Amino acid sequence: QSVLTQPPSVSAAPGQKVTISCSGSSSNIGNNYVSWYQQLPGTAPKLLIYDNNKRPSGIPDRFSGSKSGTSATLGITGLQTGDEADYYCGTWDSSRVVFGGGTKLTVL
Amino acid sequence: QVQLQESGPGLVKPSQTLSLTCTVSGGSISSGDYYWSWIRQPPGKGLEWIGYIYYSGSTYYNPSLKSRVTISVDTSKNQFSLKLSSVTAADTAVYYCARDQNYYDSSGYRRSDAFDIWGQGTMVTVSS
Repeated sequence: QSVLTQPPSVSAAPGQKVTISCSGSSSNIGNNYVSWYQQLPGTAPKLLIYDNNKRPSGIPDRFSGSKSGTSATLGITGLQTGDEADYYCGTWDSSRVVFGGGTKLTVL
Repeated sequence: QVQLQESGPGLVKPSQTLSLTCTVSGGSISSGDYYWSWIRQPPGKGLEWIGYIYYSGSTYYNPSLKSRVTISVDTSKNQFSLKLSSVTAADTAVYYCARDQNYYDSSGYRRSDAFDIWGQGTMVTVSS
C-alpha cells in the first residue's frame, strides 16, 4: 500500500491528452514539492517534472505538472506511442521519500 | 555528462548481506551540490527509497529499513555503496542508484526531492 495514491492505469488515443493524478496528505504532498518519473519498459525511471511543475532540460513541454492542496497531477498532451510507460509521483513525507504505486499509460 | 553505474552480486543467500556499489562518472561526487541515493523496485512493483548519503559521509535512511541499511561513500573512487543485512526474499528487487537534488525552500520546512540521474539498475535475487 503506497503512501501516495495513483490510478493503476489510464489510456488515451495518439494525439490526445491524458492526466494522471497523485493523491496524498498534508504530511507529504500538502507541504512538500512533487516530482514525476517516467519508466519505459525495462529501463530506469527518468525525471519528468520536479518542484511540482518544472521540467528538466530536454523534457518536452508536452509534459506538465501541477499541484493543489494534497494532490498533484501530471498532464501529457499530444500523446505518442512512445509515451507508453509507467509513471510515478514522488515527494517527501515526514522522514522519508515516498512514491506513488505507479500508473500504466496505454496509448491506444 | 554524469553517469551512474551499479555493480555487485546478482544473487545473495537469505540472512546474508547484500552489497552494491555505484560508480559515478563524468562528475565529482564531492561537488557538494547533490546527495546520492539508493532506490529499489521489486519485480512488477513500485519504487522504494532506501536512503541517501552526502559526500561528507552524512546519511539518511528510510525508517522502514534503517536497522539493516548502511550507505557509505568513497570520494577517492567517486563511488558510494549500499549494504543491506539479514536479507530475505522480500529484498529481491532491481536496485538503482540515483543522484538526488534535495533542498528545503525559503519556508524552511517545504522540501524538494528530485532524482535527476539514475543508474541502469541491477537485479538482486535473494535465494538459497
